[in-house]
Amino acid sequence: AQTVTQSQPEMSVQEAETVTLSCTYDTSESDYYLFWYKQPPSRQMILVIRQEAYKQQNATENRFSVNFQKAAKSFSLKISDSQLGDAAMYFCAYRTYTGANSKLTFGKGITLSVRP
Amino acid sequence: NAGVTQTPKFRILKIGQSMTLQCTQDMNHNYMYWYRQDPGMGLKLIYYSVGAGITDKGEVPNGYNVSRSTTEDFPLRLELAAPSQTSVYFCASSYPEVTGELFFGEGSRLTVL
Repeated sequence: AQTVTQSQPEMSVQEAETVTLSCTYDTSESDYYLFWYKQPPSRQMILVIRQEAYKQQNATENRFSVNFQKAAKSFSLKISDSQLGDAAMYFCAYRTYTGANSKLTFGKGITLSVRP
Repeated sequence: NAGVTQTPKFRILKIGQSMTLQCTQDMNHNYMYWYRQDPGMGLKLIYYSVGAGITDKGEVPNGYNVSRSTTEDFPLRLELAAPSQTSVYFCASSYPEVTGELFFGEGSRLTVL
C-alpha cells in the first residue's frame, strides 16, 4: 500500500523569507502523480502544485516549487517570498495514474504559520 | 461552473440518528470520492466510485454507505451516527486520465452528540 509521510507537524517562517516543507512517500509503482494541497482556515482544499513522476524537471508555480527526488521518494515544497496568506495547513498527496486503485493518499499535513 | 457541491455544510446529529450528505459535480468526472478529516489530521478515504453503478471501500468505510446511480451524484449515508463520526467530510471528483488532481467540495462539518 502507498503511504505518504510528513514528519514535521508545524513550521514557521518570517514574511518574505523562504521555507521548505518535507514529504516522503512509499510506492512500488513507477508512474504516479504527486501533489501539494493547501487548506486555509476556510478548510477549502486548494491545489498548489502537481508533479508527474515521469517528468524529471521539477514543477514550479510562481512562488511555489518542488524538489522531486524519485529515487529517494522525496517530494518537498519550497515557498519563496512567503506571504501572510500562505499561512495554512499543507498536505502532500500521492496518486497512481489510473485504474481501480487510482485514489489520492494524503499525508497528515503540516501547519505553516507566517510571522509578520 | 459550480464544480463540486456538498450539502449540508453543517449538521448536528444525535447518537443513533441517520443522515445523508449530498454531493454533486457538474464536470462530468467519472471518479468520485468521500474523505473524512479529523482535527489536525490528514484526509482518510471512506468510499470511492469509478463510475455510475460502481463503488468500493476506502480505508475507513465502517458506519457509512454510498450509492452512485448517476455520474453527477455520490451521496454518503451515515447509519446510526456515533460520536466517532464527528468530523469534516469532503467530497471530491476527478478525471484522472487528464490531470490526476482531485477537485474538492467545501466540506461538511458533522457533529454527533
